Amino acid sequence: DVKVTQSSRYLVKRTGEKVFLECVQDMDHENMFWYRQDPGLGLRLIYFSYDVKMKEKGDIPEGYSVSREKKERFSLILESASTNQTSMYLCASSLEVGAGNEKLFFGSGTQLSVL
Amino acid sequence: EDQVTQSPEALRLQEGESSSLNCSYTVSGLRGLFWYRQDPGKGPEFLFTLYSAGEEKEKERLKATLTKKESFLHITAPKPEDSATYLCAPRGSARQLTFGSGTQLTVLP
Repeated sequence: DVKVTQSSRYLVKRTGEKVFLECVQDMDHENMFWYRQDPGLGLRLIYFSYDVKMKEKGDIPEGYSVSREKKERFSLILESASTNQTSMYLCASSLEVGAGNEKLFFGSGTQLSVL
Repeated sequence: EDQVTQSPEALRLQEGESSSLNCSYTVSGLRGLFWYRQDPGKGPEFLFTLYSAGEEKEKERLKATLTKKESFLHITAPKPEDSATYLCAPRGSARQLTFGSGTQLTVLP
C-alpha cells in the first residue's frame, strides 16, 4: 500500500514564524498535493505538483509556497505564519491527475496552531 | 465553477438503522466522482470511484450510486465502526478535484 508520511502530527508556532511542513510518499507517484481542512469548509487545495520542481497554485495559495526537489518529497512553507493559517494540513499523492482515475492517498495530517 | 454540496452535515443512526448520504454536484464534463472516508485525526481514505450515471459500487455495508446530478452513499445495517466523516469529490474538467464538506456519521450501539 502507498504510504504518505507527514513529518509532524501537531505543531504550535508563533505569528510571523516561518513554518515548514514536510511530506514524503513511497510509491513513486508523479503528483503530490497540499490541502487544508477547516470545519464546514471541506478540503481546499493550496498547491499541487505534477513533477519534480513543477508546481501549480490551487484555490488558496496566498501566504504559502511549496518546494519539490525530489519526486518523493513535497514541502509546504508558510513564509510568515498568521493566526488564520491555523488548520489541519493534509498531504496527498496520486498516480494520475484529471483522468477520472486519480485516487488520492492521504497522509495523517498536521494540525497546525499559530498563536 | 464546480460546486458540490453534501447533506446532511451530520447524521446519527442507531446500529442497524439504514440510511443514505447525499452528494449533489454541478461540474462541467464529469469524469468521475470519488467517495472517501475520514476517521477523526486521520487523512481521508479512498472508498469508491463512479464514472457514469447509473453506475453502482459496493463495499461491505456501503453502496454508492451516481446520477447526472447527485451521488448517494447508502449504508445498510450500519455498525459503530462505520462512524466517520464521508466526503465526496466530483472530477470535472477543472484542474483539480472539488471536495464537499462532508457528512459526519455517528452510529450508536
